[in-house]
Amino acid sequence: EARLVESGGGLVKPGGSLRLSCVASGFNFRNAWMSWVRQAPGKGLEWVGRIKSAADGGTPDSSVNPRFIISRDDSKDTLHLQINGLKTEDTAVYYCATDSPLIDYFYAMDVWGQGTTVTVSS
Amino acid sequence: DFQMTQSPSSLSASVGDRVTVTCRAGQSISGFLNWYQQKPGKAPRLLIYAASSLQSGVPPRFSGSGSGTEFTLTISNMQPEDFAVFFCQQSFSGPFTFGPGTRVDRK
Repeated sequence: EARLVESGGGLVKPGGSLRLSCVASGFNFRNAWMSWVRQAPGKGLEWVGRIKSAADGGTPDSSVNPRFIISRDDSKDTLHLQINGLKTEDTAVYYCATDSPLIDYFYAMDVWGQGTTVTVSS
Repeated sequence: DFQMTQSPSSLSASVGDRVTVTCRAGQSISGFLNWYQQKPGKAPRLLIYAASSLQSGVPPRFSGSGSGTEFTLTISNMQPEDFAVFFCQQSFSGPFTFGPGTRVDRK
């Protein structure tokens, strides 16, 4: 069974940095495109960014903010999200998800982690 | 960026009801539209991809339709476990924006 487990969240002061991790199991991580999505308290879902599979270059596909850096370590089946210059508005639950081409080029996020909480406060 | 809107923002329904949620894109996204369900304290769950394809394991009472700029999610026979928030998401062009969500609660 495909599984994703996020970690690395916590309480951080404004201006700080944080590196979130997402460990994958039960599927071929190297072949997976991966995304990060966040959700501020009581708010909707916000797409953060995506990274291609190793076979497709392993590079970030796109992201909404240059403060967010997505990377992957395929030797450890792990996805990372580095967030720099944290702001109070970055307070959210951060989810990782597989972003799969379920039909040709129609991608959708079909496996999700349970999320890790980031709180930015002084 | 592709702006996504949903209507209504919330609705109340009873078990057995037929429920329809609408999602609109600011410009054409062809059929690149996904639907997710989220329950309190849980991660989202993919229901429908490519506008009308049912994700494996999702009950057939869920269906999706539409193309271009207007899409609908229909729950044909609302069940107790279906009450949740539903989000649409465009997968046409990055950033892959979500709609603001539609909360469906029990009448």
